[in-house]
Amino acid sequence: AQTVTQSQPEMSVQEAETVTLSCTYDTSENNYYLFWYKQPPSRQMILVIRQEAYKQQNATENRFSVNFQKAAKSFSLKISDSQLGDTAMYFCAFMKGGGSNYKLTFGKGTLLTVNP
Amino acid sequence: DTGVSQNPRHKITKRGQNVTFRCDPISEHNRLYWYRQTLGQGPEFLTYFQNEAQLEKSRLLSDRFSAERPKGSFSTLEIQRTEQGDSAMYLCASSPDGLSPLHFGNGTRLTVT
Repeated sequence: AQTVTQSQPEMSVQEAETVTLSCTYDTSENNYYLFWYKQPPSRQMILVIRQEAYKQQNATENRFSVNFQKAAKSFSLKISDSQLGDTAMYFCAFMKGGGSNYKLTFGKGTLLTVNP
Repeated sequence: DTGVSQNPRHKITKRGQNVTFRCDPISEHNRLYWYRQTLGQGPEFLTYFQNEAQLEKSRLLSDRFSAERPKGSFSTLEIQRTEQGDSAMYLCASSPDGLSPLHFGNGTRLTVT
């Protein structure tokens, strides 16, 4: 079974600064995907960024980037130039690869507050 | 693309009552998922449909829970004889295939008193 651990229950950052959210996972799989999802106060979960385990290059999406360390089973999210709208719960998630992949395993989340 | 729609947004019920939630996935998404999120936790997988077929049920889904997806379109999740431990946010998600990211709805918050 896979486990996902987010060791930071809460974090805060000043607007325009950079913040890094941590995530570690445990799996015996070699083919898998990792995700960061954002859940704003309105509750709808939104995909922030996705990383395929077979890709060595770290994924980036505008101000969001990841540091994927496969050997260390670490998958951190860096948010640059933080904005007030980034305030949300952030969840790290794991999904097995292969033809029948479908099930996400989530961490407990990190509540990020961006302060003006 | 109107997104994944869930109804109702909130449901308060007394212990022992039955409740039913509805999820309308994004059109042409053949995969539909139900997750449960309790306070302070990440979402936990409950069950998964590919079209009308229910392909997996988590052991979290006791006999009191049943999900259907007739005709492979909308889905319903019914909880019979609700217990206080059923209080949670129930999230529905859909995707067009097994490689695409999940699109989540706003969820239904259930409170059992």
